[in-house]
Amino acid sequence: NAGVTQTPKFQVLKTGQSMTLQCAQDMNHEYMSWYRQDPGMGLRLIHYSVGAGITDQGEVPNGYNVSRSTTEDFPLRLLSAAPSQTSVYFCASSASGRGGHEQYFGPGTRLTVT
Amino acid sequence: KNQVEQSPQSLIILEGKNCTLQCNYTVSPFSNLRWYKQDTGRGPVSLTIMTFSENTKSNGRYTATLDADTKQSSLHITASQLSDSASYICVVSPNTGGFKTIFGAGTRLFVKA
Repeated sequence: NAGVTQTPKFQVLKTGQSMTLQCAQDMNHEYMSWYRQDPGMGLRLIHYSVGAGITDQGEVPNGYNVSRSTTEDFPLRLLSAAPSQTSVYFCASSASGRGGHEQYFGPGTRLTVT
Repeated sequence: KNQVEQSPQSLIILEGKNCTLQCNYTVSPFSNLRWYKQDTGRGPVSLTIMTFSENTKSNGRYTATLDADTKQSSLHITASQLSDSASYICVVSPNTGGFKTIFGAGTRLFVKA
């Protein structure tokens, strides 16, 4: 199993550009989520999904869109990139949505917005 | 506000030495607490999980303890190795039946030869 994969690994955008971060998992997990990790802060939840066709907002959803058309894929779209979105983005999946479920994280995408 | 605070922010130890990382939380009601290890350039990987009724949980040279009364947890690393150099993140799940978890900012551990 590849687990959770993310592409690209690195990306540089100019302010105002849009792009999609890709995330895929091969563990047949129902629950998937996107986090951002900034220096000195814990991971913050952007959006999450409890199954194909179902998504919801997390703690910091502004400026991001998600969709979940299949169990395997959960792309994150930046609509109009801003310097404040410079961060490392992690996708995660888990078998259960209950508290304490182990989340399996991808390797991350390091995004810089100039 | 639910919070998870970790200390120290960073720590340098010599190979072979022991160390203890701290996690204080204000999350209540509380379901369980997990410690993750995050190597540089990688995503976090789970080390241990404890429910509110457990006091200790081990995973090889890693031992986590939990005091639910004082809302404190610690992660003890025995006989450190160079490969232990990483960030260690404390994560607390509220007992609200929901999906969301609260991450600490992590402790950055450097193990030197």
